[in-house]
Amino acid sequence: AQSVTQLDSQVPVFEEAPVELRCNYSSSVSVYLFWYVQYPNQGLQLLLKYLSGSTLVESINGFEAEFNKSQTSFHLRKPSVHISDTAEYFCAVSDLRGAQKLVFGQGTRLTINP
Amino acid sequence: NAGVTQTPKFRVLKTGQSMTLLCAQDMNHEYMYWYRQDPGMGLRLIHYSVGEGTTAKGEVPDGYNVSRLKKQNFLLGLESAAPSQTSVYFCASSLGRMNTEAFFGQGTRLTVV
Repeated sequence: AQSVTQLDSQVPVFEEAPVELRCNYSSSVSVYLFWYVQYPNQGLQLLLKYLSGSTLVESINGFEAEFNKSQTSFHLRKPSVHISDTAEYFCAVSDLRGAQKLVFGQGTRLTINP
Repeated sequence: NAGVTQTPKFRVLKTGQSMTLLCAQDMNHEYMYWYRQDPGMGLRLIHYSVGEGTTAKGEVPDGYNVSRLKKQNFLLGLESAAPSQTSVYFCASSLGRMNTEAFFGQGTRLTVV
């Protein structure tokens, strides 16, 4: 069984400031790792994923996340945020095999202040 | 390309009433999932399906039933709604096998009074 912990339920930052959203996971088997974003009143969209290979993965809108196996973490970072990044962010893991069910963290609400 | 479509988008039920939520995907995906989203709890898996005619229980299946008679549709039923089932419900689908990206619908906001 897997579990995911997002250490911050809310993160307020000023526009153009850097941000880090923390995610730790627990699993007895190897997993895939994901960050999903949910804009207000919408469904979830995949932001980025780690399947294998390079431990640093990037999204098209400037976010990046680094897989750290020893610390079982997959923190999300962005060097300079914009108002449009205001959303809720979910970290998730899934099995490599079987039904590949996603197990989600509690979510982190990112609020960007002008 | 519509992706994953959920019907209805909003619904208010009285305790004890029944209803069915419909999820339809047009991507020929094998795997489909139903999640519920509650504040501070993230998304939790209710039921899932790995192919037409198959269903399995997730983390929080009690009070719900599902059916997947056609590959493109995954139905979630509430036989006797309870206030604890007030939530936002999301359907998702994925190709399955080694491709694990899940695509989500826009959600159904259900209130049970």
